[in-house]
Amino acid sequence: EVQLVESGGGLVQPGRSLRLSCAASGFTFDDYAMHWVRQAPGKGLEWVSGISWNSGTIGYADSVKGRFTISRDNAKNSLYLQMNSLRPEDTALYYCSQHIRDSLHPGYFDNWGQGTLVTVSS
Amino acid sequence: QSALTQPASVSGSPGQSITISCTGTSSDVGDNNYVSWYQQHPGKAPKLMIYDVSNRPSGLSNRFSGSRSGNTASLTISGLQAEDEADYYCSSYTSSSSYVFGSGTKVTVL
Repeated sequence: EVQLVESGGGLVQPGRSLRLSCAASGFTFDDYAMHWVRQAPGKGLEWVSGISWNSGTIGYADSVKGRFTISRDNAKNSLYLQMNSLRPEDTALYYCSQHIRDSLHPGYFDNWGQGTLVTVSS
Repeated sequence: QSALTQPASVSGSPGQSITISCTGTSSDVGDNNYVSWYQQHPGKAPKLMIYDVSNRPSGLSNRFSGSRSGNTASLTISGLQAEDEADYYCSSYTSSSSYVFGSGTKVTVL
């Protein structure tokens, strides 16, 4: 059974940084690209970033480009999201999601974690 | 990239069929076959319901079906059941190598 467990969320002040982690199990992690998708409270889903199996292809939404960095460690079956210069509008539940294949493009979001909440507020 | 346009809400009685539309552009929904749909119950993670416009994941009820015409994709739920009450989101790969979601539709079973 595929399991994706996010961690690292919390309350942070505007302008500060936070690093999210996603621990994967139940599948061969380095066979798949991975994504981060977020959902602001009471709002819809927004794709944040994706990374191919070998980190060779990475993509970001315009709203986070230059501030967020996605990475992965296949030896640890883990996905990360380094979030810098956080803004109140980054407040959301951040989901880790498994892609359908090893390359990042194109495709869809197959399995999802339960999310970790990030709140940006002074 | 603007969100794909979905109706805010759709409702139907048990046993009826409903259709949710998802309108994009020639740069996303109308550009490729990577349109997908997700169901989200309150407080839960999204769940993949339809992929590649009209395919169902293994084990998913055939009451759910997808289609597309031009820049508009659709999700149809037939034989509506109480457990189908949830939020539904469409998504599409885009010509700029990114992904975009729809604005979301709340389905209410009357």
